[in-house]
Amino acid sequence: GDSVTQMEGPVTLSEEAFLTINCTYTATGYPSLFWYVQYPGEGLQLLLKATKADDKGSNKGFEATYRKETTSFHLEKGSVQVSDSAVYFCALSENTGGFKTIFGAGTRLFVKA
Amino acid sequence: GAGVSQTPSNKVTEKGKYVELRCDPISGHTALYWYRQSLGQGPEFLIYFQGTGAADDSGLPNDRFFAVRPEGSVSTLKIQRTERGDSAVYLCASSLERGIEQFFGPGTRLTVL
Repeated sequence: GDSVTQMEGPVTLSEEAFLTINCTYTATGYPSLFWYVQYPGEGLQLLLKATKADDKGSNKGFEATYRKETTSFHLEKGSVQVSDSAVYFCALSENTGGFKTIFGAGTRLFVKA
Repeated sequence: GAGVSQTPSNKVTEKGKYVELRCDPISGHTALYWYRQSLGQGPEFLIYFQGTGAADDSGLPNDRFFAVRPEGSVSTLKIQRTERGDSAVYLCASSLERGIEQFFGPGTRLTVL
């Protein structure tokens, strides 16, 4: 079945450092790919998405490119802030009549001032 | 407008009891999803409704779990004979009929003692 694997955390960075969180997926068809973020004490929010190969999703300085050849969707940000501290989930969904979403285990990011 | 709401926010029950968890989706969203998130894990799909019908219930772990959406809006997740292993955060999400973006509620934290 479909699955998502993302790098284990926690990841601890200093403010203004470069961030990469790796994500790879396994899917039978042509999924849409997502990054969700869960800030402390808040609900799950969509951060960015890409619906086909070579698409780049971007939001709030974060970017991820849908790489079909490497089945990857790595999250990057050039300069992290303390306010980016959160748990980040990579996810995929396929149109199987609905769009049930398969999530990775999450990567906790701590950004120090 | 109002987002997805879930009640109660916290539920503590004893092993063997019956519980109901409620989800109010965003108005006009015909698709509704339930997920379960265990500590330190990503959300896991349980069931998907399109309108009033359960279009995909492949994620329900066993027959103690049941969900309804009688009028195509509010949904209730029902768990019979609760077990300690059912302790988790139960998340609800809604989307437009053919929308790939799901909007998540804050979740109900269920604790089975």
